[in-house]
Amino acid sequence: DQQVKQNSPSLSVQEGRISILNCDYTNSMFDYFLWYKKYPAEGPTFLISISSIKDKNEDGRFTVFLNKSAKHLSLHIVPSQPGDSAVYFCAASYSGGYQKVTFGTGTKLQVIP
Amino acid sequence: SQTIHQWPATLVQPVGSPLSLECTVEGTSNPNLYWYRQAAGRGLQLLFYSVGIGQISSEVPQNLSASRPQDRQFILSSKKLLLSDSGFYLCAWSDRGSNQPQHFGDGTRLSIL
Repeated sequence: DQQVKQNSPSLSVQEGRISILNCDYTNSMFDYFLWYKKYPAEGPTFLISISSIKDKNEDGRFTVFLNKSAKHLSLHIVPSQPGDSAVYFCAASYSGGYQKVTFGTGTKLQVIP
Repeated sequence: SQTIHQWPATLVQPVGSPLSLECTVEGTSNPNLYWYRQAAGRGLQLLFYSVGIGQISSEVPQNLSASRPQDRQFILSSKKLLLSDSGFYLCAWSDRGSNQPQHFGDGTRLSIL
């Protein structure tokens, strides 16, 4: 059972435009959500997170939106840059003793110069 | 600042051989530690996590084991590798407490022949 889903395996965007990556989850107990960026042959790098008490969190060019009623979150990158080309993983966890995180399968973003 | 070291970066092993992958964290104390595997074209699967020295929890039954002999050292092992053990193995750490992001090492690409 895939509790965190990224239904778009890939996305292409022109440099300077907005990139929107989407993620859906099924477990209503999730209360903390994260986005990671991964380059080939490297480990994922933490980008931004959001707690379920918020519906938006912003960090520079990156903004994460959370819609709890729809069990949906999205990552907006504005403006997109060629260096943003990578695989983006959505992840979710719930309050507990050790932070078990469930990852989506990733979306490969290509930013075209 | 905190850093995580994982080695080796790549490893080619014959079926039936033993395995030992090591991960160490610097710049933090009492971290939670994790081992993940990413199979080709799939998301990250949590294999083991540890909340303290000698405390290991397994998420999936498998041919692998983990140990935490020191506070900031996490080891992934196998006595006899199977072909299905091939994949990209990632170590991660997080601070204790709720809503703490996990931070990943650069991974080990394991190929079983």
